[in-house]
Formats: sequence, C-alpha cells, structure tokens
Amino acid sequence: SQQGEEDPQALSIQEGENATMNCSYKTSINNLQWYRQNSGRGLVHLILIRSNEREKHSGRLRVTLDTSKKSSSLLITASRAADTASYFCATVNSGGSNYKLTFGKGTLLTVNP
Amino acid sequence: GAGVSQTPSNKVTEKGKYVELRCDPISGHTALYWYRQSLGQGPEFLIYFQGTGAADDSGLPNDRFFAVRPEGSVSTLKIQRTERGDSAVYLCASSLNSGNTGELFFGEGSRLTVL
Repeated sequence: SQQGEEDPQALSIQEGENATMNCSYKTSINNLQWYRQNSGRGLVHLILIRSNEREKHSGRLRVTLDTSKKSSSLLITASRAADTASYFCATVNSGGSNYKLTFGKGTLLTVNP
Repeated sequence: GAGVSQTPSNKVTEKGKYVELRCDPISGHTALYWYRQSLGQGPEFLIYFQGTGAADDSGLPNDRFFAVRPEGSVSTLKIQRTERGDSAVYLCASSLNSGNTGELFFGEGSRLTVL
C-alpha cells in the first residue's frame, strides 16, 4: 500500500521558476525522505527530514515537515531543465517496521527551457 | 562497482515462464530491499533482508515470488509461472544498516515484461 500522496500529480514550469511539491501521509513517522527518478532510471535520494525537524535545506532544495498536519513540501528554487524528473516522498514509520520506506505515487515535474 | 547493480536491465518472457532477477548491493551494506514499480506508480515494498535472512517478506504478492540472499551480499528475486500482471520494474536497494532507516541506494531496476 502507498502511504504518501503527492500533489500535484504533474507540474510544468519554466526554467528559473520555483517548483513546489506537496506530500501527505497517514501514520506516525520516524522520518520522511524525498527521492528523484529520471525516466527509466533508478531513484536517487535527495533529502531526509526527521520527525523532530521542521525545515531542512540542501543546495536549491528546501523541505518542510508539519507532523501535526502529516504533510511535507519540497521546494526547488531556480529550476533548471535538468530538474525534469519524477519526485517521490517516502516515509519511515515509527514503531515496528522502522526499516522500510513507503512511497507515494510521485509528482512528475517538467521544467521547460 | 560503486553502486547497486541489477541484471538483467530488461527481461521479456512469456506467460508461465520462470524468471530470476539479480541484485548486487553496495559492498558492506547489510540491508537489502526489493521494490516493485508499476507504470505511473511509486515503488511498492516487496521484501527486506538483514544479512542473509529475510526479515520481512510481507510485500511479496503471492507464493510465486521468492527471494534469497545466501551469503549476505548478492540477492536473487525469483518469479515462478509468470503472469502478465507481473510486468513492472523491479528495483533493488541497499543501505548500510537498518533501523530508523536513512537513505536507500537504488539500482537502475530490471524491467520485466510478461507477454
């Protein structure tokens, strides 16, 4: 089963604009991660935010986490055509199964040159 | 190699045939995962190994699916009597250890097509 729900399902922007993707989840989590997947390729880890953190930055990426609303957002600033990919959030649940990631369906981001 | 290696990258087979998909994790990673990704969906968990043992195989869809990791390194996902619904990309991932899972390192996947 898929826990995270990203929205929008697809997003098309112009190079230089910012892209914001959202993720909602259902259970208590230990951490939330964002991954990127280029078409036909494997997933690449972007950033991890722990349940006791509210915001994290990595280069042009900014992730927020609101555990009261069970939601997270990924912001990519000053987007580039090379950022075109699918972006997935994934949660690690607190409690017993704290070894596996549960992924959402992803947001397909297209950055037009 | 430096990353997770999966073979074959593409496999086309006929309904009813047997298939093996191989994963070579990053050296020293004790945790290994198999996920399945259907078109337009996120990866779905199949099975998790800690060392040689399958610590959680709750994601395997039925008893036609089986995975092994006999020496705690390379893993093989085995699918018997393949069905058209098994068509998907099978992703393998590894991590240094498990528990409060940090990032997973994914391979490029094995795309299985069952005709």
